Amino acid sequence: GAVVSQHPSWVICKSGTSVKIECRSLDFQATTMFWYRQFPKQSLMLMATSNEGSKATYEQGVEKDKFLINHASLTLSTLTVTSAHPEDSSFYICSATPGGIYNSPLHFGNGTRLTVT
Amino acid sequence: AQTVTQSQPEMSVQEAETVTLSCTYDTSENNYYLFWYKQPPSRQMILVIRQEAYKQQNATENRFSVNFQKAAKSFSLKISDSQLGDTAMYFCAFMRRAAGNKLTFGGGTRVLVKP
Repeated sequence: GAVVSQHPSWVICKSGTSVKIECRSLDFQATTMFWYRQFPKQSLMLMATSNEGSKATYEQGVEKDKFLINHASLTLSTLTVTSAHPEDSSFYICSATPGGIYNSPLHFGNGTRLTVT
Repeated sequence: AQTVTQSQPEMSVQEAETVTLSCTYDTSENNYYLFWYKQPPSRQMILVIRQEAYKQQNATENRFSVNFQKAAKSFSLKISDSQLGDTAMYFCAFMRRAAGNKLTFGGGTRVLVKP
């Protein structure tokens, strides 16, 4: 079955540094991937839509200069948290679907836990 | 904008019993999909069941079934013969057909299956 892989699973970084999270579709091509954020004991909130070969589309209230998204190939999207602050600490999850067909189920990565100290 | 509401923060059920999770949503769209996702302690999101809005028949996947009431904008999940492995967070989600594969999630319901 379709698998989406995220790396790293967890990362600790210092305030002011940047950290990159990768989302890969392992056995299918994904022209579109999605990045979600989940605070402890809360739901998933869509941050942005990552589009292969073009700019990402950000949801209202999400700072595009802080959360840089690059979708350079059909199997890889990256989320870079720039100048990280403790309030950026959260669980980040990506999702993708084969072929971008509405009837296909969305597949989620296993998530990345970011802790900013 | 769409909203999804799950009114039950937590539910507990005895093993082998049945539990029903509620979900309501608000939309002006006519073409959409509804989903239930399970998130166990591993945090991996797992699709439980999916319902297309244009289908009147309620979706069923083994021990999981839904009661889809389109007019009432209600989409409840019934877990039958609950198993210990069903312990997890359950999220109801909405997807507009015209908006690609973007999901709007409800706040989640924590289900605890007791032995």
